[in-house]
Amino acid sequence: QQPVQSPQAVILREGEDAVINCSSSKALYSVHWYRQKHGEAPIFLMILLKGGEQKGHDKISASFNEKKQQSSLYLTASQLSYSGTYFCGTEPPFLHGGSQGNLIFGKGTKLSVKP
Amino acid sequence: DTAVSQTPKYLVTQMGNDKSIKCEQNLGHDTMYWYKQDSKKFLKIMFSYNNKELIINETVPNRFSPKSPDKAHLNLHINSLELGDSAVYFCASKGRGRANTGELFFGEGSRLTVL
Repeated sequence: QQPVQSPQAVILREGEDAVINCSSSKALYSVHWYRQKHGEAPIFLMILLKGGEQKGHDKISASFNEKKQQSSLYLTASQLSYSGTYFCGTEPPFLHGGSQGNLIFGKGTKLSVKP
Repeated sequence: DTAVSQTPKYLVTQMGNDKSIKCEQNLGHDTMYWYKQDSKKFLKIMFSYNNKELIINETVPNRFSPKSPDKAHLNLHINSLELGDSAVYFCASKGRGRANTGELFFGEGSRLTVL
């Protein structure tokens, strides 16, 4: 089941903040976040494994609400280098815990940061 | 050394032809994947292959077949190419166990154009 991302696109000025949301209709084992620049491969940002877990590096962080089957990616004080398409990927759990292993991506959120 | 490498990077061919894309990973990972990214940038999983277990996305036509000669390689064969097969195909790999974060490592992609 494909996760749903919102918004589909966002335009920011340098220094502004953005939030990208990812939700699933099914229970989740984990949520991944990737960024893809035009003509390049997706690059891993972070993975969240536990409900309520928050992770971050630099000014990009994410949270995972296991109960609500949602994750959000927070970009603060955006830089030009943040431009790209952000994908969340979700893994459904096995019945007895653990991951089924196949990462299903949302349709992506295109982020454009202008000077 | 490139962690996940794909060849060729570009492939232009006629409808009805058969073609292959090769993928190799030198990360010692157990699981490899093929993803298709269409013109709308949707990243769709096609196959995953782990210890000789193949998991197929049921929406993938049987003209597509993955072949894994060993753990480090997962090649994609496509028979009777159609216009709708035009896309960028990404190979990816993932490790298991405590030493691995669960991150997917993507190859640079192979752009297939069917005329």
